[in-house]
Amino acid sequence: EIVLTQSPATLSLSPGERVTLSCRASQSVSSYLAWYQQKPGQGPRLLIYDASKRATGIPARFSGSGSGTDFTLTISSLEPEDFAVYYCQQRSNWPLTFGGGTKVEIK
Amino acid sequence: QVQLVQSGAEVKEPGASVKVSCKASGYTFTDFWMHWVRQAPGQGFEWMGRINPNSGGTNFAQKFQGRVTLTRDTSMSTAYMELSSLKTDDTAVYYCARGITPGDGNTFDLWGQGAMVTVSS
Repeated sequence: EIVLTQSPATLSLSPGERVTLSCRASQSVSSYLAWYQQKPGQGPRLLIYDASKRATGIPARFSGSGSGTDFTLTISSLEPEDFAVYYCQQRSNWPLTFGGGTKVEIK
Repeated sequence: QVQLVQSGAEVKEPGASVKVSCKASGYTFTDFWMHWVRQAPGQGFEWMGRINPNSGGTNFAQKFQGRVTLTRDTSMSTAYMELSSLKTDDTAVYYCARGITPGDGNTFDLWGQGAMVTVSS
């Protein structure tokens, strides 16, 4: 099973700041990595798929990069609605697996 | 609008079974894989399995093989997940999630609201 490790576990930031979240895979997942956002009491929302493709309706401030084992989700300028938990997920190998999440909280 | 609406919360005793439904609307149900993913309280996500609503074909995580059954009713545009031999650590929110196309359908572009299943004696 491919293990996805996200870092850091928590980030404390202010609106307007640039955010970089990391997801590292225990073996190569090529570009088959997605990022999701989850807010309390809600199901996740797809942000990025195949490492760098923005999902429908996702603002341009969200971008993804990476391939192989190291991936990054960047939010260019934090909006108040972006404070949430972010998860990565791989579809390269069975079973599909998720990272443990990074919480972006208000400083 | 395009959405997945799941059944409500359930409380079950250890050893029992639970069946959660997921009704799709706003799109052609048979065109997209349907996945089931769970999230234990305060934890991350765990993929359980998927069903092809067109063919009924399924794939499962090995951990759940033999204990989870995925079915669908195409006339009702509804998918079902039944988990048997429940244990206390099956307590979680269970989500259905649509698999994105094009591709292998293993990225999730639409999620249900979740169904809380509590296993307690």
